[in-house]
Amino acid sequence: AQKITQTQPGMFVQEKEAVTLDCTYDTSDPSYGLFWYKQPSSGEMIFLIYQGSYDQQNATEGRYSLNFQKARKSANLVISASQLGDSAMYFCAMRPITSYGKLTFGQGTILTVHP
Amino acid sequence: GAGVSQSPSNKVTEKGKDVELRCDPISGHTALYWYRQSLGQGLEFLIYFQGNSAPDKSGLPSDRFSAERTGGSVSTLTIQRTQQEDSAVYLCASRGGAQETQYFGPGTRLLVL
Repeated sequence: AQKITQTQPGMFVQEKEAVTLDCTYDTSDPSYGLFWYKQPSSGEMIFLIYQGSYDQQNATEGRYSLNFQKARKSANLVISASQLGDSAMYFCAMRPITSYGKLTFGQGTILTVHP
Repeated sequence: GAGVSQSPSNKVTEKGKDVELRCDPISGHTALYWYRQSLGQGLEFLIYFQGNSAPDKSGLPSDRFSAERTGGSVSTLTIQRTQQEDSAVYLCASRGGAQETQYFGPGTRLLVL
């Protein structure tokens, strides 16, 4: 079984500042993939970034980076230079590498970017 | 290219009626998933189709829920005898790309009165 925990129900950040959204996970699978999605008020889930458990380097995609600490089972999302359009719900998710079944999601963190 | 599309975008129905929700996956994606998101909650897995294999129905909450995928492409999620607790956003995803990422559609917002 897999479990994702996002302990921050809501986060606030000033425009142009960096923010870290926390995600911890638990799994018995030896290999797994970690994902972050953004869900604006429109409701669509937008894929942001992926990290494989076997990857040696932390993933980066533009202003998004994933701070992956395998021993601590954490996969925090870092957003640099926050923009007003970053205000949204953010979900951390995972699945085993060996199967392409369902994603297990956390409860999400609402990010509000202030001007 | 076109992303995952879902229809209708909104559906209001009366308790006890049947509803059908449609999902059009990204062209070429062989895997398709349905999830449900209740207000302010995370996503709950419902069902997963992979090619011609038997679907993984382990997330369906009751036998009122069913889904089919015709021709390996379009999928329909059917909820029979809807209940008020079925009110939620129903999200469809298809999987592809180098990282086998799930890409989501815009969802169908279902309200059961």
